[in-house]
Amino acid sequence: AQSVTQLDSQVPVFEEAPVELRCNYSSSVSVYLFWYVQYPNQGLQLLLKYLSGSTLVESINGFEAEFNKSQTSFHLRKPSVHISDTAEYFCAVTPSGGSYIPTFGRGTSLIVHP
Amino acid sequence: DAGVIQSPRHEVTEMGQEVTLRCKPISGHNSLFWYRQTMMRGLELLIYFNNNVPIDDSGMPEDRFSAKMPNASFSTLKIQPSEPRDSAVYFCASSTTVLSYEQYFGPGTRLTVT
Repeated sequence: AQSVTQLDSQVPVFEEAPVELRCNYSSSVSVYLFWYVQYPNQGLQLLLKYLSGSTLVESINGFEAEFNKSQTSFHLRKPSVHISDTAEYFCAVTPSGGSYIPTFGRGTSLIVHP
Repeated sequence: DAGVIQSPRHEVTEMGQEVTLRCKPISGHNSLFWYRQTMMRGLELLIYFNNNVPIDDSGMPEDRFSAKMPNASFSTLKIQPSEPRDSAVYFCASSTTVLSYEQYFGPGTRLTVT
């Protein structure tokens, strides 16, 4: 079984400031890692994913996440946030073989102030 | 591609009534998931289909909940009888296990049971 812990339920920041949203997981098997974003009144959308290879993955809108196997973490970062980044962010893990059932964290609400 | 389609987008019903939520997955996707999202519990997986067959329904809260997938392009989630505690946003998501395990979410159905 897997579990995902998002350490912050809410992260307020000012526009153009850097931000880090933390995600830790536990699993007895190898996993794939994902970050999803949910804008108000919408479904979740994939932001970025780690399957294999380089441990640093990037999204098209400036977010990046680094897979750290020893610390079982997959923190999400952005060097300069915009008002439009205000949303709920979910970390998720899926076993890399066998069961395809994902496990989601509780979410982190990123609030960007002008 | 139209993405995952859910209907209705909003449903308000009285306690005791039957509620049916509908989902059309992305064409070619062979896995379908039903989730429930509430402030208290976060995102909960209710049931998972693979190739139209229910694989894991351990998240279905009670016998009042049932889900079907009669073909690859349609699924329903039914609540009978509905109760106020069923009020939540229900999401349908689809994925193809062939590629990358990532999920594509519909816009959700906001259910209010009075």
